[in-house]
Amino acid sequence: AQKVTQAQTEISVVEKEDVTLDCVYETRDTTYYLFWYKQPPSGELVFLIRRNSFDEQNEISGRYSWNFQKSTSSFNFTITASQVVDSAVYFCALSANFGNEKLTFGTGTRLTIIP
Amino acid sequence: DTAVSQTPKYLVTQMGNDKSIKCEQNLGHDTMYWYKQDSKKFLKIMFSYNNKELIINETVPNRFSPKSPDKAHLNLHINSLELGDSAVYFCASSQDSPLAGGVNEQFFGPGTRLTVL
Repeated sequence: AQKVTQAQTEISVVEKEDVTLDCVYETRDTTYYLFWYKQPPSGELVFLIRRNSFDEQNEISGRYSWNFQKSTSSFNFTITASQVVDSAVYFCALSANFGNEKLTFGTGTRLTIIP
Repeated sequence: DTAVSQTPKYLVTQMGNDKSIKCEQNLGHDTMYWYKQDSKKFLKIMFSYNNKELIINETVPNRFSPKSPDKAHLNLHINSLELGDSAVYFCASSQDSPLAGGVNEQFFGPGTRLTVL
């Protein structure tokens, strides 16, 4: 069975602060993929990143960075110098069990950036 | 051009009615999915189809019936609607990975907000 836990239900930070969203996952598969999606107030789901279980290198994309640590089964997401447009619900997700590539989502973290 | 589109965007209906939601993707992807997002924002897979064949059928009431006329379309028909069916339904698609065991990202449609009165 697969499980994704996002323990932070809601986070509020003042604009320009850095913020980290936590994601902890559980799977028995040795090969799996992790994802982050953003859901802004308009409601669509926007893909942010995909990471496979063999690649533990951290990734940076502009103000976004991701820290993948297999030892702690975590895939955390950091936004540097937050902006109001970053306000959204962020979902971490896991996919394994190839041939049956459903996404198992965490419950999401609602991030509010205060101007 | 919209990559994954759904119609309608909003659907308000009475209990007991039958309704359909349509989904189309123009990305040339092989696999399509339906997810349900409840009022607490929890997202859960319902179905997936690969090249018109049903791959995933989670524990979903048989009042829900997906239909894939071709690999670019995956429609969702719901019979005898109940209050608990009120949710946002998302269609998604992904490309099969050319490498064995790869999993590609899923692209989501804009969602259909279903309200059952």
